[in-house]
Amino acid sequence: DAGVTQSPTHLIKTRGQHVTLRCSPISGHKSVSWYQQVLGQGPQFIFQYYEKEERGRGNFPDRFSARQFPNYSSELNVNALLLGDSALYLCASSLDYYGYTFGSGTRLTVV
Amino acid sequence: GESVGLHLPTLSVQEGDNSIINCAYSNSASDYFIWYKQESGKGPQFIIDIRSNMDKRQGQRVTVLLNKTVKHLSLQIAATQPGDSAVYFCAEQSGNTPLVFGKGTRLSVIA
Repeated sequence: DAGVTQSPTHLIKTRGQHVTLRCSPISGHKSVSWYQQVLGQGPQFIFQYYEKEERGRGNFPDRFSARQFPNYSSELNVNALLLGDSALYLCASSLDYYGYTFGSGTRLTVV
Repeated sequence: GESVGLHLPTLSVQEGDNSIINCAYSNSASDYFIWYKQESGKGPQFIIDIRSNMDKRQGQRVTVLLNKTVKHLSLQIAATQPGDSAVYFCAEQSGNTPLVFGKGTRLSVIA
């Protein structure tokens, strides 16, 4: 059974560009959460979705947005990229509020 | 692989010794705690969890201790092996809120 899959694994973008990151949860999991992990720090919560509805949002600017599709996969979008957006973006899936399983992440580098 | 924590506190232990990793959590209302292991280039991997109505829980080679009075969590790894080398994060949840991660500790096992 596949775990949480994220794509792409790595990408490089230029300041001001837009990026879309994708996540497919574990089969049967209805909740997807997104985290940003800057080098040397713990993951920081960005969004949580459950059954296509936003259930929580962390302290991130409006340049960050996300959505969840009927098949429970999810996209994280970041507009007007800044150098400080360079990080590992992690997706976690869960049945509900507990039991997060993380993917391997997308390494975003903004130059 | 790329390091996930270049500036994290580091614990160095001899192979075969026991390791103790400590974590101070912030929210006295948290009722669920998890330890994660993160290796270079990977997402956090679940190790062991504990609920606030317990003060100790044991797994295979790992034990988690919870002291709610001083808001302290520890992870004990018995007979530490080279494969245990990684960054370890504690995380906490309060009710239905998202998972919140601590700062992390790098464990380095000396063969």
